[in-house]
Amino acid sequence: EAGVAQSPRYKIIEKRQSVAFWCNPISGHATLYWYQQILGQGPKLLIQFQNNGVVDDSQLPKDRFSAERLKGVDSTLKIQPAKLEDSAVYLCASSFQMDSEQYFGPGTRLTVT
Amino acid sequence: GQSLEQPSEVTAVEGAIVQINCTYQTSGFYGLSWYQQHDGGAPTFLSYNALDGLEETGRFSSFLSRSDSYGYLLLQELQMKDSASYFCAVSTNAGKSTFGDGTTLTVKP
Repeated sequence: EAGVAQSPRYKIIEKRQSVAFWCNPISGHATLYWYQQILGQGPKLLIQFQNNGVVDDSQLPKDRFSAERLKGVDSTLKIQPAKLEDSAVYLCASSFQMDSEQYFGPGTRLTVT
Repeated sequence: GQSLEQPSEVTAVEGAIVQINCTYQTSGFYGLSWYQQHDGGAPTFLSYNALDGLEETGRFSSFLSRSDSYGYLLLQELQMKDSASYFCAVSTNAGKSTFGDGTTLTVKP
């Protein structure tokens, strides 16, 4: 069974530029999560989808971050414009249903200069 | 909202037993999970408790006390490869998920 796929794996941009991350969850998984993990901290939930509906986006900085999960499968997370403090690893995870085991992708390491 | 507390670092020797504690405050608590993350890697699921008591999976066990808002991960027969960060995560009955800041475990020979 293929795992959670993410791309790109690494991205370096200048502040005020925009960037987009892509995630393909495990087939059949209804729940998709985007996390931001800053070095030395735990993953912080940015947004959680159940199929193509949003369950929780309370910690998503909506003035600069947006995410969508069209057709309830793939998802993209966008940052526009980026700030220095957005430098982090962005992890995508999926689970069969809410509150079941989460499977994480390899993450995208973003560096904002 | 949800908050979790776990020790930032734990050190133990190979072959020993170590316990990583996690206390939480959350409304609508549903379950407590544990994840392992090696440097540069992604978190991987270890264990889950929704009911009070001990869950055992090989060398790893996890315990939950709902009345005390407390849980722990027990690692037995420590191996060098167990050096990693360990995160507890709470889920709510609304299906929302929050991770702690993690405990860095260092296993020494």
